Amino acid sequence: NAGVTQTPKFQVLKTGQSMTLQCAQDMNHEYMSWYRQDPGMGLRLIHYSVGAGITDQGEVPNGYNVSRSTTEDFPLRLLSAAPSQTSVYFCASRTQGGVTEAFFGQGTRLTVV
Amino acid sequence: GDSVTQMEGPVTLSEEAFLTINCTYTATGYPSLFWYVQYPGEGLQLLLKATKADDKGSNKGFEATYRKETTSFHLEKGSVQVSDSAVYFCALYSSASKIIFGSGTRLSIRP
Repeated sequence: NAGVTQTPKFQVLKTGQSMTLQCAQDMNHEYMSWYRQDPGMGLRLIHYSVGAGITDQGEVPNGYNVSRSTTEDFPLRLLSAAPSQTSVYFCASRTQGGVTEAFFGQGTRLTVV
Repeated sequence: GDSVTQMEGPVTLSEEAFLTINCTYTATGYPSLFWYVQYPGEGLQLLLKATKADDKGSNKGFEATYRKETTSFHLEKGSVQVSDSAVYFCALYSSASKIIFGSGTRLSIRP
């Protein structure tokens, strides 16, 4: 029972590099989202998707792109990494409609130097 | 906009002590409220929830009551254990179908 799987778990990037954080869920959830977690600031929503082909911006979208070509996958792309993007990133999924529990991946710790 | 405010940590208690972590919210209408817990090295997982005023959510000895009059959802446990050491997040389900989290409270329990 995999749930939400994120890869990689750790990553170090140089300023200006690009990379993609992967997120996959096997629960057939319509809603998927990406958060970043920073000390003293809790979790802030970056982007979210309510289904394949549909994405929208959250609270802190700048510097990040997403796409949702399948129900299972929701990758997060950093186009040109900056030190301000050093954070822990969490992917979450849940069913759409009503008040439903969000299931989280184990997180990706990203350091940009 | 909708927001959640919870007490700052870290909170350090001795085993078997009583725990309260305060949480208040600002929202349009009456949102559903949650407590999530994050154990070291893991993602968040749902601890308990309440979907309407005066509801009490409970799980693993933790409780929280949805108080509409004070816009609060404080987390309590009568006797904490070392295994309860974690970061606790209060959250609400907003009118825009998003989950909005508080800043988190780190709890450490001494044996």
